[in-house]
Amino acid sequence: AQTVTQSQPEMSVQEAETVTLSCTYDTSESDYYLFWYKQPPSRQMILVIRQEAYKQQNATENRFSVNFQKAAKSFSLKISDSQLGDAAMYFCAYRSADFGNEKLTFGTGTRLTIIP
Amino acid sequence: GAVVSQHPSWVICKSGTSVKIECRSLDFQATTMFWYRQFPKQSLMLMATSNEGSKATYEQGVEKDKFLINHASLTLSTLTVTSAHPEDSSFYICSARMGTSGTYEQYFGPGTRLTVT
Repeated sequence: AQTVTQSQPEMSVQEAETVTLSCTYDTSESDYYLFWYKQPPSRQMILVIRQEAYKQQNATENRFSVNFQKAAKSFSLKISDSQLGDAAMYFCAYRSADFGNEKLTFGTGTRLTIIP
Repeated sequence: GAVVSQHPSWVICKSGTSVKIECRSLDFQATTMFWYRQFPKQSLMLMATSNEGSKATYEQGVEKDKFLINHASLTLSTLTVTSAHPEDSSFYICSARMGTSGTYEQYFGPGTRLTVT
């Protein structure tokens, strides 16, 4: 079974600064997808960024980028120019590329606080 | 596009009663929907995978007779918590799969807070 570990329960960053959230995972599969989801106080899950394991290039979405290290099974999220609206819980998630095994496995989350 | 709604957003029920939660994909067809449970300050745990027109697949440890899932159409899945007890109080979130290829996305509903008194 796959596992996802987020070792930072809480992080804080000064507004406009850069912060990196860590995520490691364990799997025996070679093809899979990794995600970062944001859950603000409204509790609506929002997809931040997605990485396909067979792609070597790190995914980027505006101020959000990942550092995907497949051999190390590491998938960190970097948020640049942090904004107050970035304050939320962030969950790292894994999904198999196997069409018959579609569930998302989530990490325990990192609560990000933005300091004005 | 890709909006998923849940109804109700918050429900309070008495112990021993049943409550139904609806999950709808508003602008796309979802052959597969997922139901998650989230306790306060914890992560999302998958309860079951719901496929349109067939029986749901439950995760280990989830009581299928207590959490009844019906996926009668391509846009609607329902979760019924039967004979609810205070320990069933939680935040229930559904997601719907858009697309049929491996690069599909899951879109999440806004969640339903269930309080059992």
